[in-house]
Amino acid sequence: AQSVTQLGSHVSVSEGALVLLRCNYSSSVPPYLFWYVQYPNQGLQLLLKYTSAATLVKGINGFEAEFKKSETSFHLTKPSAHMSDAAEYFCAVSFSGYSTLTFGKGTMLLVSP
Amino acid sequence: NAGVTQTPKFQVLKTGQSMTLQCAQDMNHEYMSWYRQDPGMGLRLIHYSVGAGITDQGEVPNGYNVSRSTTEDFPLRLLSAAPSQTSVYFCASRTGGYGYTFGSGTRLTVV
Repeated sequence: AQSVTQLGSHVSVSEGALVLLRCNYSSSVPPYLFWYVQYPNQGLQLLLKYTSAATLVKGINGFEAEFKKSETSFHLTKPSAHMSDAAEYFCAVSFSGYSTLTFGKGTMLLVSP
Repeated sequence: NAGVTQTPKFQVLKTGQSMTLQCAQDMNHEYMSWYRQDPGMGLRLIHYSVGAGITDQGEVPNGYNVSRSTTEDFPLRLLSAAPSQTSVYFCASRTGGYGYTFGSGTRLTVV
């Protein structure tokens, strides 16, 4: 069965600091990987996705993630945090064209001035 | 093109009551799914459908029923609501590619 582990339920950074949110997956077949963001009382917005093309994926709002097969990881990064980045971030995985999407438990990003 | 539309946005139910959460999409997507979101648990799959007339269970299906009579609609039914079903519910649809579109959610409270 596919699964996703997000390390850290809460991550705190200062404005301007590097953002690193960790995601590891388990899979016996090549995965498709996603990062979603959820602002308070809103739905989910796709940040970026990996679908077996380039291993470094660039998304919206300056975020990017790198697929590392040897480490089964897909960590999300942003060089400089903004106050507006404060939200909950979810990593998710699926495995084929019609496969279900499995989510991690989420990481709340807190950004302080 | 409205995407995925969920109604209602908010609902309060008494224990034992029944209700249907509506989900509609106008993108002609074959695959649709329902998730529930609880604090610290992420989103968990309740039921999904790969096309009209075809549904299957996800990770947490107990207490919920679904049907898919048309491509556009995928309602989620609670036959006898319980406080454990207090949650935020999201409907999503997907094309044969890799894009999932989520609705804005239904916040359900069972008292």
